[in-house]
Amino acid sequence: DVQMTQSPSYLAASPGESVSISCKASKSINTYLAWYQEKPGKTNKLLIYSGSTLQSGTPSRFSGSGSGTDFTLTIRSLEPEDFAVYYCQQHNEYPWTFGGGTKLELK
Amino acid sequence: EVQLQQSGAELVKPGASVKLSCKTSGYTFSNYYMSWLKQMPGQNIEWIGNIYGGNGGTGYNQKFKGKATLTVDKSSSTAYMDLSSLTSEDSAVYFCARLGELDWYFDFWGPGTMVTVSS
Repeated sequence: DVQMTQSPSYLAASPGESVSISCKASKSINTYLAWYQEKPGKTNKLLIYSGSTLQSGTPSRFSGSGSGTDFTLTIRSLEPEDFAVYYCQQHNEYPWTFGGGTKLELK
Repeated sequence: EVQLQQSGAELVKPGASVKLSCKTSGYTFSNYYMSWLKQMPGQNIEWIGNIYGGNGGTGYNQKFKGKATLTVDKSSSTAYMDLSSLTSEDSAVYFCARLGELDWYFDFWGPGTMVTVSS
C-alpha cells in the first residue's frame, strides 16, 4: 500500500497569514492526490483533486501543487473558517490511502 | 443538493454483526460509485471498499475482505455495509462517501456512524 505522510501534524497561524501543508507518498502517485477539509459538525469537504484541480466551490485562496511523491496544499490569506483539519488522499492506485491529517489552529 | 444521510450510532457486542446504511439524495444513485471508509481515533482514514449504484459491483480493500459486505438498494437510493464478527478493533466511525465523476476521489461524504463494540 502507498503510505501517505503529512506534515506538520499541527500548525498554528493567524487570519491573513499564508500556510502550507506537505503530503509525501511512499512511491510515485503521479498527480493523483486529493485534499479534504474536516470541520466539527460538518461533513468532510473535497477541496482539491488530481493534485491541483479545485473542486467546484473551493475558494481560490486554496491551491495544490506537486507530482510524484511530494505535494503541497497552500492556503493564502487565511480566513477564520479555514481553521480545520486537512487530509490528503492518493487516488492513483488501490487501496486508496490517506495521510494522518494536519490540524490548523488559530494562533 | 447532494446529501448522504447515515444511520445512527451503534453499540454492539463482540462477535455480533451490524448493518449500516447511507441514504442518498440529490443525484442519480445508479450513475455513481459509493465508498465506505473507517476512521479510528487517532488513526488514518482507511478505505474499505466501493460499490457501484448501477449494478452493485464491488471492490474491496484486501484488509476488509471477509469483514465488510457492501450492498445497495437502488429503489431507495441507499447503500449498506454489513460488518461481521465484530471485535474492539472494529470500533470506529464509518463514513460513506460518493466517488467523484472524473476519478477516484470522494466528492461528497456522509456525517459518519460511530460503531462501538463492547460487552
